[in-house]
Amino acid sequence: KQEVTQIPAALSVPEGENLVLNCSFTDSAIYNLQWFRQDPGKGLTSLLLIQSSQREQTSGRLNASLDKSSGRSTLYIAASQPGDSATYLCAVSSYNTDKLIFGTGTRLQVFP
Amino acid sequence: EAGVAQSPRYKIIEKRQSVAFWCNPISGHATLYWYQQILGQGPKLLIQFQNNGVVDDSQLPKDRFSAERLKGVDSTLKIQPAKLEDSAVYLCASSLDVFSYNSPLHFGNGTRLTVT
Repeated sequence: KQEVTQIPAALSVPEGENLVLNCSFTDSAIYNLQWFRQDPGKGLTSLLLIQSSQREQTSGRLNASLDKSSGRSTLYIAASQPGDSATYLCAVSSYNTDKLIFGTGTRLQVFP
Repeated sequence: EAGVAQSPRYKIIEKRQSVAFWCNPISGHATLYWYQQILGQGPKLLIQFQNNGVVDDSQLPKDRFSAERLKGVDSTLKIQPAKLEDSAVYLCASSLDVFSYNSPLHFGNGTRLTVT
């Protein structure tokens, strides 16, 4: 059974810092891994999708890496801004279940 | 492009009452999903449609939950009767690809349900 864990559960940093959010999964037989952002009272916004054959994806100040063999992904946020404050969730789709399994998220607060 | 539309945004009901949620996916998106997100947890898939057929409803509590997708477009999710543990945000999502998860999911803003 695929399980997805995100560490830390919460993070509070000053503006300008570079951040790393971690995601680990137990079953390496995956189609892809996605990172989402969720603002309070809102739905999820897809940030990056990494196919299982890829090592990383970049979008602006965001960079996501995937190490399938070790069951890990990291989301790197460069030069954090208060507008980055949100909950970040990772999700994997597995060969076995063909479902998108979400982690519980990292709640990020960037203060000025 | 217009996003995924959901209504209502909020709903408060008493236990044992019934409730229905509505979702209009992005135009042309073949796959539609309903997720349940309990406070402090990640979303959990309840049901997945491809066009108007059910692909996966293994985690849908079928004794009280039902869902349909009319003509492969709009969808409704119903709970009858509601229990306290059904309090959650119900998220609808859609994706373009007919093959699961080959394309990013687009989520609506969700319906926050409180059962008292």
